[in-house]
Amino acid sequence: AQKVTQAQTEISVVEKEDVTLDCVYETRDTTYYLFWYKQPPSGELVFLIRRNSFDEQNEISGRYSWNFQKSTSSFNFTITASQVVDSAVYFCALNSGGYQKVTFGTGTKLQVIP
Amino acid sequence: DTGVSQNPRHKITKRGQNVTFRCDPISEHNRLYWYRQTLGQGPEFLTYFQNEAQLEKSRLLSDRFSAERPKGSFSTLEIQRTEQGDSAMYLCASSPRSGPSDTQYFGPGTRLTVL
Repeated sequence: AQKVTQAQTEISVVEKEDVTLDCVYETRDTTYYLFWYKQPPSGELVFLIRRNSFDEQNEISGRYSWNFQKSTSSFNFTITASQVVDSAVYFCALNSGGYQKVTFGTGTKLQVIP
Repeated sequence: DTGVSQNPRHKITKRGQNVTFRCDPISEHNRLYWYRQTLGQGPEFLTYFQNEAQLEKSRLLSDRFSAERPKGSFSTLEIQRTEQGDSAMYLCASSPRSGPSDTQYFGPGTRLTVL
């Protein structure tokens, strides 16, 4: 069974603040894949990043960075110097067991206040 | 390169009616997925096709739901005898055949409202 927990339901920050979105996952498989997606008010899920379980190297892409820690089963997402356009619901997701099904968390709604 | 497209974007229907949604994946992608998303929740997997073969189905996909991908290109999702509980956003995604777990790229969704 696979499970993703995003404990933060809603977060509000003032523009230019840094914000970290938490993601904790559960799986019994040794090979798995983790994802982050952004869902703006328009509704379309936008792919942000994919990591496999063998690559714990943190990644930075512009203002976005991801911290993958297998020891704590976490895959956290940090936005540096947040902007109003970052306002959206962010989903962490997991795929494991050789299946194509992706399990999503319940999402964290981020509101960036100007 | 066009993304995943879905039609219609919105559908309002009365309880008991049948509805059909269409998904056109990214052209070179041979894997296609359907998900359902209700308010305040993440998407939930419904089913998956590789080419025209339906390879995985969730227990969420009751016998009132049927999905097809007859020529391995576009797909349709039909809901028969709709119920108010079917109201949700229905999302389609596609991915290329290049690994054990490819990134899924999502369409804009079809929002279904059952009155």
